[in-house]
Amino acid sequence: QVQLVQSGAEVKKPGASVKVSCKASGYTFASYDINWVRQATGQGLEWMGWMNPTSGNTGYAQKFQGRVTMTRNTAISTAYMELNSLRSEDTAVYYCTRGRQPLLYYDFDYWGQGTLVTVSS
Amino acid sequence: DIQMTQSPSSLSASVGDRVTITCRASQGITNYLAWYQQKPGKVPKLLIYTASTLQSGVPSRFSGSGSGTAFTLTISSLQPDDVATYYCQSYFSAPSIFTFGPGTKVDIK
Repeated sequence: QVQLVQSGAEVKKPGASVKVSCKASGYTFASYDINWVRQATGQGLEWMGWMNPTSGNTGYAQKFQGRVTMTRNTAISTAYMELNSLRSEDTAVYYCTRGRQPLLYYDFDYWGQGTLVTVSS
Repeated sequence: DIQMTQSPSSLSASVGDRVTITCRASQGITNYLAWYQQKPGKVPKLLIYTASTLQSGVPSRFSGSGSGTAFTLTISSLQPDDVATYYCQSYFSAPSIFTFGPGTKVDIK
């Protein structure tokens, strides 16, 4: 069965960076884009960007451009999201999620369990 | 950028009621619209994609409709298990951008 398993909770100081991992199993990792979505406590869902595991190509929401980097290691079917220059407003649960279809998709079917990132001095 | 709005922001209905949630896009997105259900403390779950296609395993009391800029999610007979927040999500190409609506919280009266 398809699974996306994320790394554990992180506590970071303002100005630091965080790197969250997302290990895929149960399907061909290279065939489906991985997207990242975050959710602050009590708030809605916010899309951050996508990454194609085959090419490594990425696309980021304008809000995060220059501060986020999405990468992958195809040998271990793992995607990564790194967010720099953290501020308190970045405190949120970060989800990885899979594009529902290979190549061209408009939505997301499988989600990781979420990783809580807390930014606090 | 595309903006998504949802109405109402919250609702309370009785078991068995028909519930309708509206989602509007600031520009036309043809039928690139999905609906997700998120129960408290849980991960979002895809309910409907391309505006009206039911995701596998989702109960048939859920349905979606619309195209262009106006979309609806309908629960034909509300059940206690449907207590959740529902989000619409759009896709716009060139470049690929995904945008979520603010959510609609559904409770049982």
